Amino acid sequence: QVQLEQWGAGLVKPSETLSLTCAVYGGSFSNYYWSWIRQAPGKGLEWIGEMNDSGSTNYNPSLMSRVAISVDTSKNQFTLGLTSVTAADTAVYFCARRGNERQRVTPLRFFTFHYMDVWGRGTTVIVSS
Amino acid sequence: SSELTQDPAVSVALGQTVRITCQGDSLATPYVTWYQQKPGLAPKLVFYGKTGRPSGIPDRFSASKSGTSASLIITGAQAEDEADYYCSCRDDSRSRELFGGGTKVTVL
Repeated sequence: QVQLEQWGAGLVKPSETLSLTCAVYGGSFSNYYWSWIRQAPGKGLEWIGEMNDSGSTNYNPSLMSRVAISVDTSKNQFTLGLTSVTAADTAVYFCARRGNERQRVTPLRFFTFHYMDVWGRGTTVIVSS
Repeated sequence: SSELTQDPAVSVALGQTVRITCQGDSLATPYVTWYQQKPGLAPKLVFYGKTGRPSGIPDRFSASKSGTSASLIITGAQAEDEADYYCSCRDDSRSRELFGGGTKVTVL
């Protein structure tokens, strides 16, 4: 059973860089995208970005200038870096595995659905001086 | 602001059926991915697409469509179904994931 364990600094000063790591245990690191999602206090989910084992990345356009996701395939780990943080970056950060499945949606049409089926427990990050 | 719209809250009597809707102007298909989140916990995948129910998810969870809206149906809601529910879809044009704002489901 695949499990994600995540860790990182829980308190970051404004203008500094947030760094979190997520390790994958009990499953393959290949053929998936590995994602970061965050949730500000009392708010909904916000997708940050993702990377696959080949290094291909996709980022939320609203965060793209400040975010970087990297992968260490030798350790089955992936890392989130978010620069120039402000109080608005205070949130619980989750790592997750993204998979997909092709389904028949009409008699003549197929569609590929994406889902995040394994999640880390979340890390609370507070941005404060 | 979210590009997937959900009602902020809905309530259902124990054992009754509740529909949670998700609307998006650019939904390529009226089926999406659904997550359940209970306080203090990570989201949990409960349904994806038209037929995708992960192992361990009760069959009272299903998906439906109504016009251009996607829906998660809970048939015979239980007390443990009380949670926040988020819809999500892939925006392939910009290679990103979108989340709805979430619906708080209260089981009375």
